[in-house]
Amino acid sequence: DAGVIQSPRHEVTEMGQEVTLRCKPISGHNSLFWYRQTMMRGLELLIYFNNNVPIDDSGMPEDRFSAKMPNASFSTLKIQPSEPRDSAVYFCASSLGQGGTTGELFFGEGSRLTVL
Amino acid sequence: AQKVTQAQTEISVVEKEDVTLDCVYETRDTTYYLFWYKQPPSGELVFLIRRNSFDEQNEISGRYSWNFQKSTSSFNFTITASQVVDSAVYFCALSESTGGFKTIFGAGTRLFVKA
Repeated sequence: DAGVIQSPRHEVTEMGQEVTLRCKPISGHNSLFWYRQTMMRGLELLIYFNNNVPIDDSGMPEDRFSAKMPNASFSTLKIQPSEPRDSAVYFCASSLGQGGTTGELFFGEGSRLTVL
Repeated sequence: AQKVTQAQTEISVVEKEDVTLDCVYETRDTTYYLFWYKQPPSGELVFLIRRNSFDEQNEISGRYSWNFQKSTSSFNFTITASQVVDSAVYFCALSESTGGFKTIFGAGTRLFVKA
């Protein structure tokens, strides 16, 4: 079975450019999470969706960041305009929660973003 | 508010030593889940274990064992007879029911196992 698929795996861009990261969760999973990992801040939860609906976006750094989940099989994280401090590895994860429970997270391989 | 503290930033051991990674959590919920994940040098995040707040039974899986104590809000992870392949960053995580089960992570503990 396919795991969580993220693209691109690596992105190098210049400050001010728009960046779009993509994620395909595991089929049947109803929760999707976007995390950012840096040496300084570790793994930060940016936003998560339940049944395609954003539940908590309090971790989104600022208005330059936006995330969407138009359907159960696709999500995007957009940064516009990008800044050097956005350089990080962005992970997408999905999980299956049933009846008020939470399952473990299945992570994609991450998208390494470098903003010059 | 939920919080996970992994006070040990880095631990270095020699192969075959036992090592315990500490995790302390904070939550106001009575229903929550605790997790451990491993991030080897290759960078992927791998699930190791999940416990719910109503199950304090300790668990053993091969060389890995977990000690969950609600009285001290701790969920510690022990590797017995460590091996070089255990070298990785280990994350403890917490998911609360009132938070919609969002999962937050501790800062991680980097484990070096030397041959």
